[in-house]
Amino acid sequence: KQEVTQIPAALSVPEGENLVLNCSFTDSAIYNLQWFRQDPGKGLTSLLLIQSSQREQTSGRLNASLDKSSGRSTLYIAASQPGDSATYLCAVKAAGNKLTFGGGTRVLVKP
Amino acid sequence: DAGVIQSPRHEVTEMGQEVTLRCKPISGHNSLFWYRQTMMRGLELLIYFNNNVPIDDSGMPEDRFSAKMPNASFSTLKIQPSEPRDSAVYFCASSEGGYTQYFGPGTRLTVL
Repeated sequence: KQEVTQIPAALSVPEGENLVLNCSFTDSAIYNLQWFRQDPGKGLTSLLLIQSSQREQTSGRLNASLDKSSGRSTLYIAASQPGDSATYLCAVKAAGNKLTFGGGTRVLVKP
Repeated sequence: DAGVIQSPRHEVTEMGQEVTLRCKPISGHNSLFWYRQTMMRGLELLIYFNNNVPIDDSGMPEDRFSAKMPNASFSTLKIQPSEPRDSAVYFCASSEGGYTQYFGPGTRLTVL
């Protein structure tokens, strides 16, 4: 059974610092991995999707890497801003159309 | 497009009552997912449909839970009878094929 872990569960950084969020998964037989953002009381917004054949994806200040063999993904957010404060979740897609989510990392960027 | 639409946004009910949550997926999306989010268990997939057909309901916790998708633009998740431990935020999501899932705003359910 696929298990997805995100460490740390919470992170607080001063504005301008780079953010590094980690995600690990136990079964490397995945089709893709997604990073989502969730604001309090809101739904999830997809940030980046990395196919299993890819090593990384970039969108603006966000960069996500994938090392399928070691079961790890990292989300980098450059030059963090207070507006980046949210919970970030990673999810892996394996057989079928199912996503398995990690527990999330709650990020606070202090002005 | 208006995105995934869920109703109601908040529901407060008493134990034993029937609860029906509704979802309208993004037009053209052929996959629909129901998730439940709690502090203790995080985000869990309950059931998903492809082309209106239930594919995997292994996440449905008990027989008290049922889901239907009578057409491509509407789905319901029903809990009967509801219990306090069903209190959670329920999300609906849709996707086109196996690509990015788009989530609705969720329904916050409180069972007293």
